[in-house]
Amino acid sequence: KNQVEQSPQSLIILEGKNCTLQCNYTVSPFSNLRWYKQDTGRGPVSLTIMTFSENTKSNGRYTATLDADTKQSSLHITASQLSDSASYICVVSATSGTYKYIFGTGTRLKVLA
Amino acid sequence: DTAVSQTPKYLVTQMGNDKSIKCEQNLGHDTMYWYKQDSKKFLKIMFSYNNKELIINETVPNRFSPKSPDKAHLNLHINSLELGDSAVYFCASSQRATGELFFGEGSRLTVL
Repeated sequence: KNQVEQSPQSLIILEGKNCTLQCNYTVSPFSNLRWYKQDTGRGPVSLTIMTFSENTKSNGRYTATLDADTKQSSLHITASQLSDSASYICVVSATSGTYKYIFGTGTRLKVLA
Repeated sequence: DTAVSQTPKYLVTQMGNDKSIKCEQNLGHDTMYWYKQDSKKFLKIMFSYNNKELIINETVPNRFSPKSPDKAHLNLHINSLELGDSAVYFCASSQRATGELFFGEGSRLTVL
C-alpha cells in the first residue's frame, strides 16, 4: 500500500535555529517527491521537487535530500525565521495507479522569537 | 494574477442547506482536483477531473457533486449539509498527473 509518513508531527524551535523534518514513503513506482509549505489560512505551495536521481537540492534556506534506496527524504531549514512557522507536507507521486499523489500528514513547525 | 482562485473563502450555513464552491484556474492545466482538509490538517482527495472528465471519485457522500463546465473550472456543490462537512476545501490543478500541484487559498465551510 502506498503510504507517506512524516515526523515529527509538530516541532517548536527558537528563531535562528536549524531543524530537520523527515519523510518516509512506500510509494511504488516512484515518480517524484515534493515538499509543500502551507501557511495558516493559505493553500500549500511547492518548495522543492526531488526526482529519483537527485540527492540534494536547495531553495534558499531550505535543503531537501532524497535517499531512493531507503525511501527517505528530509527537509532541512537553516537559520529559521518567524515566517517559517507553517505546516510542511511531503507529497510523493507515483507513475501509475489511480492515485498519483500520496500525501503525508504534515509537520507543524512553530518558530518562536 | 491569481493562478487558482476559489470562492467563497468563508461559508457559514445551517444544516440541511445546499451550497456551492467555485474554482477557476488560469494556468492552462488539464487536471483539476478537490481536496478536503480536516481539523488535523490532513489533505484528502475527493475528486479529480482531467479535461472535464471525472477520473477520481473518492468515497464521499453522493451529496457532494462536482461539475466541470470546461477544463479551467471545477465547481463543488454540496446538498443537505451536515455538521461533519465542516472543513476547509481546497481546489488544485496540475499540468499532468505527477506535475506540481497549484492550490487555491481554500474555502472554509462551517455548518451550524
